[in-house]
Amino acid sequence: GESVGLHLPTLSVQEGDNSIINCAYSNSASDYFIWYKQESGKGPQFIIDIRSNMDKRQGQRVTVLLNKTVKHLSLQIAATQPGDSAVYFCAELPPYDYKLSFGAGTTVTVRA
Amino acid sequence: KAGVTQTPRYLIKTRGQQVTLSCSPISGHRSVSWYQQTPGQGLQFLFEYFSETQRNKGNFPGRFSGRQFSNSRSEMNVSTLELGDSALYLCASSWGTLLNTEAFFGQGTRLTVV
Repeated sequence: GESVGLHLPTLSVQEGDNSIINCAYSNSASDYFIWYKQESGKGPQFIIDIRSNMDKRQGQRVTVLLNKTVKHLSLQIAATQPGDSAVYFCAELPPYDYKLSFGAGTTVTVRA
Repeated sequence: KAGVTQTPRYLIKTRGQQVTLSCSPISGHRSVSWYQQTPGQGLQFLFEYFSETQRNKGNFPGRFSGRQFSNSRSEMNVSTLELGDSALYLCASSWGTLLNTEAFFGQGTRLTVV
């Protein structure tokens, strides 16, 4: 199918540590991937994206890694802060499909 | 620059009724997508519109329909509401023709069917 799955439904992280959120995708034709953050009561917020011609992309405190060989995507958050507590979704987009397929989401809780 | 605006934010309807939700995309964005979010099923794709044309539709019954206007604003309609239609309905807009540009989401409409 076209589902995108996250390895862990929950992740607890100590404030200041780095977080790694993993995602496995199933459609080898997908060429665009996005990570979203969703806080309670809000819509998903774009964090970072990566295209299939790249292996790594860095943003502010976040890095996305793409391993096309094993169809794996990860989001690394550096120096995790309380404001990073949210549900994180990865999404994939096959070419010319016009729809994003989302994983189930990982709930990140930051411990003070 | 205003974000994606969805109205209303909250809605309570009775089984059997119909409902219309509205989405105003970011200015200049021509692609609008709709998603249903529930605790059990996560984010499920409903449909996507570009320049008033539906380009893709998810696996939802015919009770779910949508349209897009010439100003890119979009509406979705659910007829003969069922309890299982209770969900957060999210709209996303993007600039690119192939959706492979940043897609921005609205706050969603929380629909409760009683």
